[in-house]
Amino acid sequence: EPEVTQTPSHQVTQMGQEVILRCVPISNHLYFYWYRQILGQKVEFLVSFYNNEISEKSEIFDDQFSVERPDGSNFTLKIRSTKLEDSAMYFCASSGQVLSNQPQHFGDGTRLSIL
Amino acid sequence: DAKTTQPNSMESNEEEPVHLPCNHSTISGTDYIHWYRQLPSQGPEYVIHGLTSNVNNRMASLAIAEDRKSSTLILHRATLRDAAVYYCILRPNFGNEKLTFGTGTRLTIIP
Repeated sequence: EPEVTQTPSHQVTQMGQEVILRCVPISNHLYFYWYRQILGQKVEFLVSFYNNEISEKSEIFDDQFSVERPDGSNFTLKIRSTKLEDSAMYFCASSGQVLSNQPQHFGDGTRLSIL
Repeated sequence: DAKTTQPNSMESNEEEPVHLPCNHSTISGTDYIHWYRQLPSQGPEYVIHGLTSNVNNRMASLAIAEDRKSSTLILHRATLRDAAVYYCILRPNFGNEKLTFGTGTRLTIIP
């Protein structure tokens, strides 16, 4: 069964440094999402992306965050200047068709640790 | 966003059925009911979704009350691998909206 893959599985970065989290969504999917989960807390929506542009973003997704689909397969989340509170699991998800209410398929996440 | 209420935790014996309840008394007529689960150290995983009628798939069944104010996820024969946090999520029936996760139900399976 096709999977969403995320790399790296664990990223350790100094505060203030830039970090790029990478995702390869399922190949024929059209909608892409990033979520994060701080340890012990809920899964929180960050941003959704469709047709090469952001379709929705949360309050968390401020101007330190950006997303990009640089080629036909990758979907990246960049944090420009990381803060301690950015430490979390970051999950990428994708869903397939234009039809509404399609399931989202999640990767196993990248654990981001800010020192 | 319409809100769901789930028990914080449940336990079940291995190889027995599990009924996970969800209350959503403020559901609107166009909201779908989605269930996802999150196994330890993994991302959320889609389980099932429905609108009005009961639904079955290879993972589970979804029983939806006639007034749609509650639903129950049914795992027919729990295995140790079903130990996870289960999330009941309402999702509007337009576009491909974000998922809004609550705290879910932590299901423990007793061998």
